[in-house]
Formats: sequence, C-alpha cells, structure tokens
Amino acid sequence: EEQLVESGGGLVQPGGSLRLSCVASGITFSPVWMHWVRQGPGKGPVWVSGIKSDGSITKYADSVKGRFTISRDNAKNTLYLQMNSLRVEDTAVYYCVRTIGMDVWGQGTTVTVSS
Amino acid sequence: DVVVTQSPLSLPVTLGQPASISCRSSQSLVYSDGNTYLNWFQQRPGQSPRRLIYKVSNRDSGAPDRFSGSGAGTDFTLKISRVEAEDVGVYYCMQGTYWPFTFGQGTKLES
Repeated sequence: EEQLVESGGGLVQPGGSLRLSCVASGITFSPVWMHWVRQGPGKGPVWVSGIKSDGSITKYADSVKGRFTISRDNAKNTLYLQMNSLRVEDTAVYYCVRTIGMDVWGQGTTVTVSS
Repeated sequence: DVVVTQSPLSLPVTLGQPASISCRSSQSLVYSDGNTYLNWFQQRPGQSPRRLIYKVSNRDSGAPDRFSGSGAGTDFTLKISRVEAEDVGVYYCMQGTYWPFTFGQGTKLES
C-alpha cells in the first residue's frame, strides 16, 4: 500500500522549534519532488515548501522563508521540515505530499503554536 | 503569486443530479512545456485531500468516472455527472505551473 506517514507535530510556544518527518512506504520516493502543505483550522490547503528529487532545489512560501528548512534522505525514504521561530499563525495540520502533481497525501501531523 | 478563484463557495446539490464548479486563475496556467498544471482535489470531512484530476482533464486511478475536468488558459471546470452521497465534501483546484503553487478557496458540496 502506498503510504506517507508524518510525525513530529505537537504543542510548542511561540518562538520555539519542531522537526517534522515523513516516511514513505510502498511508494516511489527518491526520483520525485516532495512537498509540505499545511491547512489551518477551518481553512483550505496552503503550499509551504517543496524539494527536488536529489535535494538540489528547494522552494518556500514567503511566509516561512528563512524560518523553515526542507530536506530529505532518499536512503531512508524520509522527508523533513525543520521549523524554527514558530508563530501562532503556523498552527495547522501539516501534510507530506508526493510529486509535482501532488498525487499522494499523508494523513497529516498537527502543529499547535500557543503560549 | 497566481490567484486562483473558485465559484461557488457553497454548492447545494441533489443526489443524482449534475454539479459544476468553476476555477479561474489570474494568469494563464500554460507552462513552457505546453502542459497546463491545474489539478482538482476532494477533501471529505475528517480526511486528507485526495487528487481527482491532474493537468486539467486527466482522471486519477480510483477517481469515479462521473468526475471530469475541462478548460484551458485561465478558466477551468470540474463536473460531476450525477452526484452521489459520498461526494459530499470540499473541492479545491490548485495551480502547479508557477511557484508558489496556489489553491482556490474551496467549494463545499452539500446535499
């Protein structure tokens, strides 16, 4: 079964850090782009960041540029999102999504930024 | 950023009847390779989004054939030929031609 499983979410204070992980199983991972997409409470999805198959190109939404870092380990079929200087407005479910076309989504991991 | 605008935002439907959702972009979504990267997603309550249609009109495996996509340039449409109860949820279009990729506001399909 094709699966993307995210982990690492939780409750963090403003200014804090979290590292999200996404493990791919039963699915092609290393040759494709991967993304993080978030969805705030009651809102639509918002693209956050993307990374090319070999990690040579990374893209970020302006709202997270300089604070978030996307990376991947193809040997471990794992995607990461290092989130620093977290803000209340970063509160959302974070999804790991496969390929430029966003064909497979994980179940999401919840990040809550609150004091 | 490319703005993607959906209409309507809420769509009351009758089971067995057709439904249609519009998606418009602030600029043409035709990429330099000739493809148009406009996708449609369905999100049922409590679930992750699921892709139904990619590159305007290509239906994903597992997507029922009552779903179809059409359009070109800046105007796109998702059609459901006969709405079924399992189709209730929110539908999003998304452009993947320009960075940053952007989603429409969503259309809530309600029976």
